[in-house]
Amino acid sequence: EVQLVQSGAEVKKPGESLKISCKASGFSFTSFWIGWVRQLPGKGLEWMGIIYPIDSDTRYSPSFQGQVTISADKSSTTAYLQWSSLRPSDTAIYYCARHVFGSDSVHFDYWGQGTLVSVSS
Amino acid sequence: DIQLTQSPSFLSASVGDRVTITCRASQGINSYLAWYQQKPGKAPRLLIHATSTLQNGVPSRFSGSGSGTEFTLTISSLQPEDFATYYCQQLNSYPHTFGQGTKVEIK
Repeated sequence: EVQLVQSGAEVKKPGESLKISCKASGFSFTSFWIGWVRQLPGKGLEWMGIIYPIDSDTRYSPSFQGQVTISADKSSTTAYLQWSSLRPSDTAIYYCARHVFGSDSVHFDYWGQGTLVSVSS
Repeated sequence: DIQLTQSPSFLSASVGDRVTITCRASQGINSYLAWYQQKPGKAPRLLIHATSTLQNGVPSRFSGSGSGTEFTLTISSLQPEDFATYYCQQLNSYPHTFGQGTKVEIK
């Protein structure tokens, strides 16, 4: 069974660093890209970026480039999303998802349960 | 970035109604268009990919169509469990942007 299990909710202060995780199981981790999606409170979905764990090739949305770092560890089949200095505007739910690149279709097929990140002084 | 505009943003409908949601892209995206359903407090769920391919396990009352810059998601007969927010996503070029969402509520 394909599963993406994300780390638990975080409460942080502005300026603090944070790394959240997405543990993959039930499929070959190095055969799929993993993506991250942000959802601000009460708002829509925003594509942040994707990573190919086999070589850590990463594509970022310009909106998030330089604001976050996406990484992956093949040995633990885990993808990560990290911030070096959080802002209150980073308060959101963050989802990881398995990204399928097919010959005629590209999509996110499996999603994690989401990680709520709250940033407040 | 490619912009996706969904219409309507909000839709009030009754059980049994036929519902159509439109997604317009700011430039051509071939057939690289997916639709997701999200219920409150839950992760999004893939419904349709490659414009019209139904994901495994998704009821056949859901269908997708379109090409180029205009795409539609149709629910042929709305069921109680279909009340949710629906998002389109283009995966033709980076960043793989989402539409702003269409909330389907009970009339």
